[in-house]
Amino acid sequence: EPEVTQTPSHQVTQMGQEVILRCVPISNHLYFYWYRQILGQKVEFLVSFYNNEISEKSEIFDDQFSVERPDGSNFTLKIRSTKLEDSAMYFCASSASYVSEQFFGPGTRLTVL
Amino acid sequence: QQQVKQSPQSLIVQKGGISIINCAYENTAFDYFPWYQQFPGKGPALLIAIRPDVSEKKEGRFTISFNKSAKQFSLHIMDSQPGDSATYFCAASMDSSASKIIFGSGTRLSIRP
Repeated sequence: EPEVTQTPSHQVTQMGQEVILRCVPISNHLYFYWYRQILGQKVEFLVSFYNNEISEKSEIFDDQFSVERPDGSNFTLKIRSTKLEDSAMYFCASSASYVSEQFFGPGTRLTVL
Repeated sequence: QQQVKQSPQSLIVQKGGISIINCAYENTAFDYFPWYQQFPGKGPALLIAIRPDVSEKKEGRFTISFNKSAKQFSLHIMDSQPGDSATYFCAASMDSSASKIIFGSGTRLSIRP
């Protein structure tokens, strides 16, 4: 069964460093998303991406964040200068259309020290 | 307006019992209400979903009850099993917003053998 994959599973970084979280969406999907979940809290929407453009972003997704689809398979989330409060589980998701089920990856746990 | 409120925060049910999780929303523009199941170390997975044109949807042991006038919906798990032990999130989205999903705060369900 096709699935969304994410790498790395755990990333530890120092405050102020740049991190790139990687996702490989399901191959025939066209819509891509990033969500985050701070430990013990709810899952929060960050950004949606379609046709090489951001469709929508939340207030969390400020200038420190960017997304990119550098090739036909990867979808990345970059945090330019990490802060302690960026520590969270980051989930990538993809869907075939904007009304289809979103399939979530297993997540990347980001720890900012 | 964008929030989805979920209760209880945690729930313990005996094997074979009925698990009930409740959610409420404010924004009447929401038109899709999914429930997600999340096991430790995994991403959320779609369990069952409903649109506001029906009052109930059943899939196996899982039933969503939807009350449009009260802006409330609930998940019922019949004959609860230890394998159902997980965190459950209710959610809502609008087709017009590239399917940004707004999650509830989650319910940690434990089924006692």
